Amino acid sequence: EAGVTQFPSHSVIEKGQTVTLRCDPISGHDNLYWYRRVMGKEIKFLLHFVKESKQDESGMPNNRFLAERTGGTYSTLKVQPAELEDSGVYFCASSQDRDTPHNEQFFGPGTRLTVL
Amino acid sequence: AQKVTQAQTEISVVEKEDVTLDCVYETRDTTYYLFWYKQPPSGELVFLIRRNSFDEQNEISGRYSWNFQKSTSSFNFTITASQVVDSAVYFCALSPFMDSSYKLIFGSGTRLLVRP
Repeated sequence: EAGVTQFPSHSVIEKGQTVTLRCDPISGHDNLYWYRRVMGKEIKFLLHFVKESKQDESGMPNNRFLAERTGGTYSTLKVQPAELEDSGVYFCASSQDRDTPHNEQFFGPGTRLTVL
Repeated sequence: AQKVTQAQTEISVVEKEDVTLDCVYETRDTTYYLFWYKQPPSGELVFLIRRNSFDEQNEISGRYSWNFQKSTSSFNFTITASQVVDSAVYFCALSPFMDSSYKLIFGSGTRLLVRP
């Protein structure tokens, strides 16, 4: 079974540019999460999808971040325009059906974003 | 407040030594889940254990053991007879039961280096 995949693995952009990160969850997983780790600090929650619906986006830092999950499969996270403080590692995770609470979340390898 | 503290930023041990990674959490919820994840150099977070707040039994899995103490709000992780392959960053995480998004609240991680 394929794990959670993320693309790209690294991205280096200049301040003001746009970047789109992609996450493919494990097939059949309804729950998809985005997290971010900045500068060696703790990994922080950004948002949670249940299928194609946003369940919780309380962790999104501001309106420069836009997440989508069309058709309830893969998800994209767009940062527009990027700022220096957006640099970090963006993790995606997925878990099985929402009726089983607090299941193990399976994480992808992350996308390392560097904004210059 | 919902918070996880991993006070040890980095630990270095010699192979075959035992090592304990500390995790202290804060939550106002009476029901919650605690997790440990391992992040090897490849980057993805690997699930190690999930424990709910009603189960205070210690758990052992091979060389790994976990000590959950509700009285001190701690969920410490011990590796017995450490090996070089145990070198990684280890994250402790909390998931409050009443949080409908089941998101993980992470500590800042402890980097473990096991020297041959």
